Amino acid sequence: GESVGLHLPTLSVQEGDNSIINCAYSNSASDYFIWYKQESGKGPQFIIDIRSNMDKRQGQRVTVLLNKTVKHLSLQIAATQPGDSAVYFCAATYSGGGADGLTFGKGTHLIIQP
Amino acid sequence: SAVISQKPSRDICQRGTSLTIQCQVDSQVTMMFWYRQQPGQSLTLIATANQGSEATYESGFVIDKFPISRPNLTFSTLTVSNMSPEDSSIYLCSVRTPELGNTIYFGEGSWLTVV
Repeated sequence: GESVGLHLPTLSVQEGDNSIINCAYSNSASDYFIWYKQESGKGPQFIIDIRSNMDKRQGQRVTVLLNKTVKHLSLQIAATQPGDSAVYFCAATYSGGGADGLTFGKGTHLIIQP
Repeated sequence: SAVISQKPSRDICQRGTSLTIQCQVDSQVTMMFWYRQQPGQSLTLIATANQGSEATYESGFVIDKFPISRPNLTFSTLTVSNMSPEDSSIYLCSVRTPELGNTIYFGEGSWLTVV
């Protein structure tokens, strides 16, 4: 099966700095990866995804990098703002079967210092 | 994205009782899933809700404790049976469908506290 882990349970950054949140996965068959943001009292909010045929994908202020060789992905948030404070989860799945749900990492709590 | 509505959003339940959580999606979706998020923890997949057939449960979860229905492509229910304080969690419905690029979206969750 798949296991997904995050390197740091808490990450504290200064407002305006860039944040990098890391994640590792174990199953080389996983081919679809998603980053979610969960604010206090809310459900997970989709941020960005990436498929295994890519190694980088950019969104608005966010970039996801995928290194399949070492089974590692990261989420980069540019110019962090107070509204970025949340718990960030990475998740992995195999999309080919169609029925597989996600395996989630443990989450990194991003704290933005003023 | 899909709009996913869950009811109830929060509830306080008595030990030994059962509660059914509803998940309604604003469009037809291929896959529906139920997750549990215990306090301060990550999300764990409970089961895949299959339309017209029995749900597929993950290791550690059984139908007697978490019966699931999926009568059509937009609706599913999860029942948490014979609740104990250990069942206090957020229960989340999620969907996945080719029409949405197979991205997996979540509802806001149902926050259950068992006393």
